[in-house]
Amino acid sequence: DAKTTQPPSMDCAEGRAANLPCNHSTISGNEYVYWYRQIHSQGPQYIIHGLKNNETNEMASLIITEDRKSSTLILPHATLRDTAVYYCIASYSGAGSYQLTFGKGTKLSVIP
Amino acid sequence: DADVTQTPRNRITKTGKRIMLECSQTKGHDRMYWYRQDPGLGLRLIYYSFDVKDINKGEISDGYSVSRQAQAKFSLSLESAIPNQTALYFCATSEYTGSQETQYFGPGTRLLVL
Repeated sequence: DAKTTQPPSMDCAEGRAANLPCNHSTISGNEYVYWYRQIHSQGPQYIIHGLKNNETNEMASLIITEDRKSSTLILPHATLRDTAVYYCIASYSGAGSYQLTFGKGTKLSVIP
Repeated sequence: DADVTQTPRNRITKTGKRIMLECSQTKGHDRMYWYRQDPGLGLRLIYYSFDVKDINKGEISDGYSVSRQAQAKFSLSLESAIPNQTALYFCATSEYTGSQETQYFGPGTRLLVL
């Protein structure tokens, strides 16, 4: 897995967009960027993933730079329930391989 | 009903005891995983299984063993529990599509070894 770097913590005002950055400067061409989050010791929850193009789903948007060395997860209207640790992972999964390494992530605090 | 369930949710045991943590899934996934999480740290992989006949060691398999009884069931055993195995344990399944893999986690088992 490519190493990812995330800020240890961030604050966001409730109702505002939360933009969580991730650096993955050594990412290889076949590695996807995944985002998961973990709310207070619950099981991690999948959010979104992408390879090259920007992606959007009902939870968030993922913006990947053209050189793929960094990405940003956007929660468009953060709520208190979005307070969690967010993990950015760069990984490729082959037929006989597994690579999904969780680092320490970014602790996002949504402030009322 | 939850797609990935873990039993028990909490367990207190004594040093030297053998214990088993169980995981069941209704998602129909072939791949299943066991992780542990220590306070303030990320998840570390203990064992993983790509199908019923396939078991692989992860980053920290020493002191643990697993059994894949069926596609839907993957159990983790601590043969002789020790205090530094006190942690939060998660089971996960994954939806694998050639090069992409999305993991779905259970609620976790909080284990305390005295």
